[in-house]
Amino acid sequence: QPVVTQEPSLTVSPGGTVTLTCASSTGPVSNGHYPSWFQQKPGQAPRTLIYQTGNRHSWTPARFSGSLLGGKAALTLSGAQPEDEADYYCLLSYSHDRPVFGGGTRLTVL
Amino acid sequence: EVHLVESGGDLVQPGRSLRLSCAASGFSSDDYAIHWVRQAPGKGLEWVAGISWNGGNIGYADSVKGRFTIARDSAKNSLYMQMNSLRAEDTALYYCAKDRGGGYEPAAFDIWGRGTMVTVAS
Repeated sequence: QPVVTQEPSLTVSPGGTVTLTCASSTGPVSNGHYPSWFQQKPGQAPRTLIYQTGNRHSWTPARFSGSLLGGKAALTLSGAQPEDEADYYCLLSYSHDRPVFGGGTRLTVL
Repeated sequence: EVHLVESGGDLVQPGRSLRLSCAASGFSSDDYAIHWVRQAPGKGLEWVAGISWNGGNIGYADSVKGRFTIARDSAKNSLYMQMNSLRAEDTALYYCAKDRGGGYEPAAFDIWGRGTMVTVAS
């Protein structure tokens, strides 16, 4: 089964910009992996932020954007807010295989 | 408003069975794929199973294949996951999540439930 790798932790200053990445053990991530991104705050269920690489849901703040960057899926947060402190997970879909979550990135806004 | 509510979680002994439910409201669950995802205490998310809109395509993680079975109950606008031969490593918070489309592959989650806790211990 493929392994999906994320940064274990990142820190961003309030108002700053940070990029979280999501890599696949099988090679470069492409739109064909339909990357998704999820936010989870302590004690809460995950919330979907981004699907199919760069599409936001209606509830996703515009400061979150998804893309492909250097062979990885990327989630960029521009203008970080204190309420953005959370765990972030990516999910990649694989042809003829099962979807795989990354290990998650703990984002600190400090 | 679209909601998913999981139920059925409990403390069970290893080797026993449990059935989880996922009740949908605000939409017809028959129109969309549904996924089950679990999260062990203090750990990350793990995709467990997915079922297409009509139940014609179902997939399982290797860790549960042959032990867990997912099914739909259209009359109740609900889904179920029968969990057999439970192991300590199945201990987790189990979430159901709606997909944007009718197939579970590729996955495109939107709405999540709040989860139901399963603890496997003697």
